[in-house]
Amino acid sequence: NAGVTQTPKFRILKIGQSMTLQCTQDMNHNYMYWYRQDPGMGLKLIYYSVGAGITDKGEVPNGYNVSRSTTEDFPLRLELAAPSQTSVYFCASKKGPGTGLSLSGNTIYFGEGSWLTVV
Amino acid sequence: QKEVEQNSGPLSVPEGAIASLNCTYSDRGSQSFFWYRQYSGKSPELIMSIYSNGDKEDGRFTAQLNKASQYVSLLIRDSQPSDSATYLCAVKWLTGGGNKLTFGTGTQLKVEL
Repeated sequence: NAGVTQTPKFRILKIGQSMTLQCTQDMNHNYMYWYRQDPGMGLKLIYYSVGAGITDKGEVPNGYNVSRSTTEDFPLRLELAAPSQTSVYFCASKKGPGTGLSLSGNTIYFGEGSWLTVV
Repeated sequence: QKEVEQNSGPLSVPEGAIASLNCTYSDRGSQSFFWYRQYSGKSPELIMSIYSNGDKEDGRFTAQLNKASQYVSLLIRDSQPSDSATYLCAVKWLTGGGNKLTFGTGTQLKVEL
């Protein structure tokens, strides 16, 4: 059972380079998220999607772009990488809107993380 | 700005003791509350959720919610070295789209032998 799969796990970028973090989930979840976590900090939401073709900004979207062409995939694009983007990136997914109180509807499943260093 | 605050710790407790982790949040319109455990170098995993005032127990874990005082806590009974991790409090707000969670910075728990 794969769950949420992120690639690559580790990457070193030079300032100004671009790259895409890949994320795919096999649980047929509608909601997908990208978070970043800086050392000693909590998770900050970069972008999210409530379904194929729909994306929206989170708390810290600057310097990133996303697309959601399929239910399964939610890639995160870094354009013109900067040292401030050195972080751990987590992709996550959730089954539905979770408007009720069910644990299954509200549980967010995380990928294993991608460690990105910009030098 | 909707905020979730936690003491970063580390909180050190001896093995077998009760660990008490606290979290406060800024918006009274918050809907539901979650505790995630994150081992070093790993992704967060959900361990407890709570929606109503009072206590919710699951094994050695008890989540407590007090909406009037805007705090949520996690108690870990009979703490084990394997409980050593960072515990993230997360809040889902009643307003705003996408069912987004706001996370606290986490409290590092160390259970000592």
